[in-house]
Parts: sequence; C-alpha cells; structure tokens
Amino acid sequence: KNEVEQSPQNLTAQEGEFITINCSYSVGISALHWLQQHPGGGIVSLFMLSSGKKKHGRLIATINIQEKHSSLHITASHPRDSAVYICAVSNTGNQFYFGTGTSLTVIP
Amino acid sequence: SQTIHQWPATLVQPVGSPLSLECTVEGTSNPNLYWYRQAAGRGLQLLFYSVGIGQISSEVPQNLSASRPQDRQFILSSKKLLLSDSGFYLCAWRLLAGNSYNEQFFGPGTRLTVL
Repeated sequence: KNEVEQSPQNLTAQEGEFITINCSYSVGISALHWLQQHPGGGIVSLFMLSSGKKKHGRLIATINIQEKHSSLHITASHPRDSAVYICAVSNTGNQFYFGTGTSLTVIP
Repeated sequence: SQTIHQWPATLVQPVGSPLSLECTVEGTSNPNLYWYRQAAGRGLQLLFYSVGIGQISSEVPQNLSASRPQDRQFILSSKKLLLSDSGFYLCAWRLLAGNSYNEQFFGPGTRLTVL
C-alpha cells in the first residue's frame, strides 16, 4: 500500500466545472503539498499546508489532519488547468512521499 | 529572484556508460537540495537530499550517487547506467525558515533514456 493515495487517477471535465481531487495519506507528516506537472514535465508547487485551508485564485486546498485527508478544488475550470496534479507529504526528516498523480483534462 | 537550472534537458546514453547531471540554484544561500526521479507511468521518487555542502542523504539504494561540492550545486552521478535508470530527473530546493520549511521549487528536469 502506498503512503499517499490519490483519486481519481484520471479526470475529464467540461470548461467551467468545479473539480475536486482527493488525497489520503497513512504516515505522520509535517506538511502536505499539491504540485502541478504540465505535459512538458515541469513541476510547480501549488500549495504547502499543514492545517486548514488555503486559496490561490481559483484553486483551494484543504486538509483534515485527524482524517489524514486533503482535497484540491478548482473552481470554474479552464483548459489551461489541464495537467497532472500530484499530492505529496513530507516530514521534518526531509522524507517525501508522493501520490501517483491525477491527470486532469478540461475540454472547452 | 531565485532560479534553478538543470542540464542537460535530454540525454540518451547506452547501458554501462557513466552519468553526470548537474543542478545549480541562484539567488539564495544554504538551500536544502533534492534529486527526484519519475519513471515512466510512476510517481516521483526522492533519491537524495542535501542539507549542506558535502552532506548527502540517500533515500533509495541504487547505482546512483550524489555530491554537493558547492552550496548551490548538486550533482547526480552513476558509474554504469542500467536500463532501469531511464526516467525524468528533477532537482528541487527549499529553505529552512526557523523550525519549518517553505515550499519546494523544482528545476525543469532532465529526461534520461538508457538504451
């Protein structure tokens, strides 16, 4: 069993739809990360959070420490949001565990 | 502003040949540095991290090694490549601020194909 599980693996949405990607983890963490990987391979860090909720533009990330669960929401999705979204967790010892990613395609 | 460079961008190497991938960071000092690999169809895997010059921690036993000869330079090497070393290699950095780390910043990556 992987330390980090994401769902769904693949997601296709119509432009404008509200999107949710889920992440569950089974290890103790100091922070949870949401990353975005574009088709060329480059990775951008979207959020790093250890509690509560963060919002950047149309993106919202939440975490429930007790349930060991996080969600990434995209409001008013757009074709440029098409990418692979990766959930990762880290601890104070510099260990990182990654989910296998959710491939999102937003259709115009 | 901070930037992170990796080279080469793509590399095709025969089995058994040596490897050297370089990563440099600009605009910051004393970063934590990381090497990741993403094999085809699989998730990211942390290979090595470094908290300072000459300090290397290995997460996964393999035929790869890492070195940090300067504060902002991180090198990934192999003496003899295996087919299973093919993948997308990413370098990343982050800073320790007080008792906690900030977010990670990733380089553009090197796509390695071992034939």
